Amino acid sequence: EVQVVESGGGLVQPGGSLRLSCTASAFTFSNYAMNWVRQAPGKGLEWVSCITYNGDRTYYTDSVKGRFTISRDNSKNTLYLQMNSLRAEDTALYYCATYVQRNSDFDYWGQGALVTVSS
Amino acid sequence: EIVLTQSPATLSLSQGERATLSCWASQSISSYLVWYQQKPGQAPRLLIYDASTRATGIPARFSGSGSGTDFTLTISSLEPEDSAIYYCQQRNNWPLTFGRGTKVEI
Repeated sequence: EVQVVESGGGLVQPGGSLRLSCTASAFTFSNYAMNWVRQAPGKGLEWVSCITYNGDRTYYTDSVKGRFTISRDNSKNTLYLQMNSLRAEDTALYYCATYVQRNSDFDYWGQGALVTVSS
Repeated sequence: EIVLTQSPATLSLSQGERATLSCWASQSISSYLVWYQQKPGQAPRLLIYDASTRATGIPARFSGSGSGTDFTLTISSLEPEDSAIYYCQQRNNWPLTFGRGTKVEI
């Protein structure tokens, strides 16, 4: 069964850092782009970042550019999100998900990692 | 950035009724649109990709249509388990964007 499992969430003070991980199983991780999507409590979905299958290109939403870094280690089937200079508005459930632009329903999400930014 | 506007914000209907959810894009996105269903405490579930193709395992009562800037998700005959929030997402341009969602109450 295809699975992606997030880890690394927690409580962090404003200005602090956190690294999320997402471990994939039962599919060829190195063949797929991956997304991070977040959802603030009681709010809608917000796309955060994407990385291509081999890591050669990355994309970010404007609000996290310069603060967050997406990366992957295909040898470990793991996706990362390094989050620096965290703000209260970054508080959210962070999902990792597979990404295919078109012609495919290969779309798998984890259950999310909760990040809370508060003093 | 492409803005997706979903309407209505909330849709209250009865079991067996037809639901029509709209998603408008601020500029053309061809057919690079997907629809998700999200229930409380769950991750989003892909319903429709490429604007009109049902994902594997999605019941036939769900259908998508549209291209360019105007898109529609139709649930032909509502079942109780269809109570959820439905989001559209465009995959034509970076940054990827979601609509604000339509809550369907049954």
